Amino acid sequence: DAGITQSPRYKITETGRQVTLMCHQTWSHSYMFWYRQDLGHGLRLIYYSAAADITDKGEVPDGYVVSRSKTENFPLTLESATRSQTSVYFCASSESNRGGGYTFGSGTRLTVV
Amino acid sequence: AQSVAQPEDQVNVAEGNPLTVKCTYSVSGNPYLFWYVQYPNRGLQFLLKYITGDNLVKGSYGFEAEFNKSQTSFHLKKPSALVSDSALYFCAVRAPMNNNAGNMLTFGGGTRLMVKP
Repeated sequence: DAGITQSPRYKITETGRQVTLMCHQTWSHSYMFWYRQDLGHGLRLIYYSAAADITDKGEVPDGYVVSRSKTENFPLTLESATRSQTSVYFCASSESNRGGGYTFGSGTRLTVV
Repeated sequence: AQSVAQPEDQVNVAEGNPLTVKCTYSVSGNPYLFWYVQYPNRGLQFLLKYITGDNLVKGSYGFEAEFNKSQTSFHLKKPSALVSDSALYFCAVRAPMNNNAGNMLTFGGGTRLMVKP
């Protein structure tokens, strides 16, 4: 997964706290995405971004906030964490070329207690 | 709206035997199709893709997939399975639309492949 880095790798937080998951890519890909992976649900899109300062909701955006002030960074913030947000979070990036696939980060395992 | 179905939660195969992981899709227009693999505690890794051309696509680690437009399928295959192929496999589709939302991949629910020695 060289070129797209997620941090932290693991995070435990308490209910109600704000937590930010970081995603950084070095390819200058236009598109970036946040997914959560839960048993029985596969991958679900939270938010995506087509370019700096352009973001849009995915399938499950409630409780999350994103920003993209720079092309290379796409942080995901849980404003007030809930136990239902315990999950593995993956960031991905893609070129604007429609034939290109996604490149995924290694994921952040978040536990909300 | 586009969708992907992976009808099998798990596929079991003996090492050395051929394997097939099934995928069907629904999309408007000609699809772009992808397969990804996920090993434990790792992100998804790209295996192969179909954009246009030959219906049989070859990818990483000896995997291949066959695009069948009439059956709207894109099954993943390998002639001889290895124990190290055991992982979670995801099929994905992208519609050929030229807008922000159209660049999104829609993923299937995943199929766990178990290759036994």
